[in-house]
Amino acid sequence: EPEVTQTPSHQVTQMGQEVILRCVPISNHLYFYWYRQILGQKVEFLVSFYNNEISEKSEIFDDQFSVERPDGSNFTLKIRSTKLEDSAMYFCATRIVNEQYFGPGTRLTVT
Amino acid sequence: AQTVTQSQPEMSVQEAETVTLSCTYDTSENNYYLFWYKQPPSRQMILVIRQEAYKQQNATENRFSVNFQKAAKSFSLKISDSQLGDTAMYFCAFIDTGGFKTIFGAGTRLFVKA
Repeated sequence: EPEVTQTPSHQVTQMGQEVILRCVPISNHLYFYWYRQILGQKVEFLVSFYNNEISEKSEIFDDQFSVERPDGSNFTLKIRSTKLEDSAMYFCATRIVNEQYFGPGTRLTVT
Repeated sequence: AQTVTQSQPEMSVQEAETVTLSCTYDTSENNYYLFWYKQPPSRQMILVIRQEAYKQQNATENRFSVNFQKAAKSFSLKISDSQLGDTAMYFCAFIDTGGFKTIFGAGTRLFVKA
C-alpha cells in the first residue's frame, strides 16, 4: 500500500537555527498538508498546498514558516529561525478525494 | 467555524470488554467526512475508520464501529473485544467536501487493562 514518508524521524536543533522537514507524498496525490502536534495537545493544521501554491494557512503559519515542492516529488516545510515553542511533532499529509494519508511524523526538538 | 469536541480526556476498559468514545462536531455543511484516528506511543496517526455524512449506514471495520447521528452531530466510536494493543490516544476528526484541512478533536486517551 502506498504511504507518505517523512525524514528525518527526529531532528534536534538549537534555537535560532533553520530546519527543513521533508515529506514524500503518495505519487498521484495533488493536495499536501503540514500539521503540528505539540506534546500532549491536539493536532493543529498549519498549511495546505495545491498546484504549487499555498491554498490555506493557519495563524500559526507565520513568516518563519515556508513550504515548497522543489523537485516535483519532495514536499518541504522550512522553519527559518526556530524557537523553543516550535518543539513538536510535525505531520505531513496528502489527500485524494476526501481522505488524508498521514506520514509517520518528524519529532522536532528545539534546545 | 467548524469544531470537533471530545469530552472524555481519558477512559479505561478491561481487556475483552467494549468501550465507546464520544465525539461531537459543529458544522453548517451538509456533506462532509468524519474519521477516527489512533495515535499509539510512537505518535504515528493511524486511520481507524471513516464515515461519509451522506451515508446513513454506520461504518464498521472489524472490532471498530461508529454510531453516526447526523442530526445530533454526534460520531462515537465503539471498540468491541478490547485488546491491549488498543491502548492509545484516539482523535476524532472532520473534513468537509471543500476538503482543504482536517479538524481534530482534543483526543481521548484509552487504556486497556489486562
